[in-house]
Amino acid sequence: DTGVSQNPRHKITKRGQNVTFRCDPISEHNRLYWYRQTLGQGPEFLTYFQNEAQLEKSRLLSDRFSAERPKGSFSTLEIQRTEQGDSAMYLCASSRRVGPLQETQYFGPGTRLLVL
Amino acid sequence: QKEVEQNSGPLSVPEGAIASLNCTYSDRGSQSFFWYRQYSGKSPELIMFIYSNGDKEDGRFTAQLNKASQYVSLLIRDSQPSDSATYLCAVKDYGQNFVFGPGTRLSVLP
Repeated sequence: DTGVSQNPRHKITKRGQNVTFRCDPISEHNRLYWYRQTLGQGPEFLTYFQNEAQLEKSRLLSDRFSAERPKGSFSTLEIQRTEQGDSAMYLCASSRRVGPLQETQYFGPGTRLLVL
Repeated sequence: QKEVEQNSGPLSVPEGAIASLNCTYSDRGSQSFFWYRQYSGKSPELIMFIYSNGDKEDGRFTAQLNKASQYVSLLIRDSQPSDSATYLCAVKDYGQNFVFGPGTRLSVLP
């Protein structure tokens, strides 16, 4: 399977706990994105990496959220002190830019988080 | 604030008909436009992308772009029940951000 993979697929946690999600992008893709999606909404941008550098982070992203992409390969998204409002599907996508306009994203299966 | 708007639906069409899905965007700097299909409980799947004004066809799907009107659409010909899903429109400028609309739920009735 050469697609984007995410682990775990499901996570149930209690409010106040920390959680960490992992994303493994398509191997030749140097760009990696994290999104959050709630029911009835489109994916909401959280943060973006080009190789190992985190180039952009949503202004809406709480400082409880942190992401890393060591060595420009897999990425982790950590949520500290989870709140019930963090319950959502967390999507990872990777892409490779081949021209000014030519960049297409491919999504992983997502991690569904439920905070009790 | 860059916005992408879509009618949330549901849009119901009979099997075999043409389904027409519409999307408008606020940022005139948007350069690339994407349509994703998302089945319930699954992640978005890329269907088509378009960069230039006009039509782009791929099988039963046709994307139409009108930058002057800031409007992009997706036509699905010969709709099948398996096409029933939420269709997400996304736009991108020369920067990094992909901005997604809320999606239109399509229901193809057998």
